[in-house]
Amino acid sequence: DTAVSQTPKYLVTQMGNDKSIKCEQNLGHDTMYWYKQDSKKFLKIMFSYNNKELIINETVPNRFSPKSPDKAHLNLHINSLELGDSAVYFCASSHPAGGWYFGPGTRLTVT
Amino acid sequence: DAKTTQPTSMDCAEGRAANLPCNHSTISGNEYVYWYRQIHSQGPQYIIHGLKNNETNEMASLIITEDRKSSTLILPHATLRDTAVYYCIVSSGSSNTGKLIFGQGTTLQVKP
Repeated sequence: DTAVSQTPKYLVTQMGNDKSIKCEQNLGHDTMYWYKQDSKKFLKIMFSYNNKELIINETVPNRFSPKSPDKAHLNLHINSLELGDSAVYFCASSHPAGGWYFGPGTRLTVT
Repeated sequence: DAKTTQPTSMDCAEGRAANLPCNHSTISGNEYVYWYRQIHSQGPQYIIHGLKNNETNEMASLIITEDRKSSTLILPHATLRDTAVYYCIVSSGSSNTGKLIFGQGTTLQVKP
């Protein structure tokens, strides 16, 4: 059974478009995250939600808007996509005692 | 900024033990040492974590020095499938305030 799943796996789109990436976890965790891995392979945290409440926002442009309809889902909506948004986006969840579980990633390519 | 220092790359012969060092001299008393790995472009995979005692699980062993300023991840019998980037991370582990901050990691190449 997949613990943390993301859709789509690949996303190719043009500059200026708006797109969404979905994430779901079936682990019963209260906290979910979005991470971005750029071409240099650095993994950087973007957002964290705990029980549908935003708790971490790491200076991400406001074109990025996370939405958590319930604690099992954390979606990422990106407006007016730019070339620099091309990256792999990872969703993760964690339980109160620590331990983060990552999804397979969504490779976003902006042309 | 990452609070750990790791060698950029290491090689290991298949079947031998891989020992990956990590320095975390500014670790706080409530922070754990976590190890994750990323194989190719897959999502990071949890390996092991510890606070101050040595830990062992089915994947690896974690040796933490008494002063907690450094640790070593040991893969007892490395296989080609262990080739990956290994990240050493310190974090309080609290879901509300803790977060994983990734550094550059160590690229481990297991060779036949």
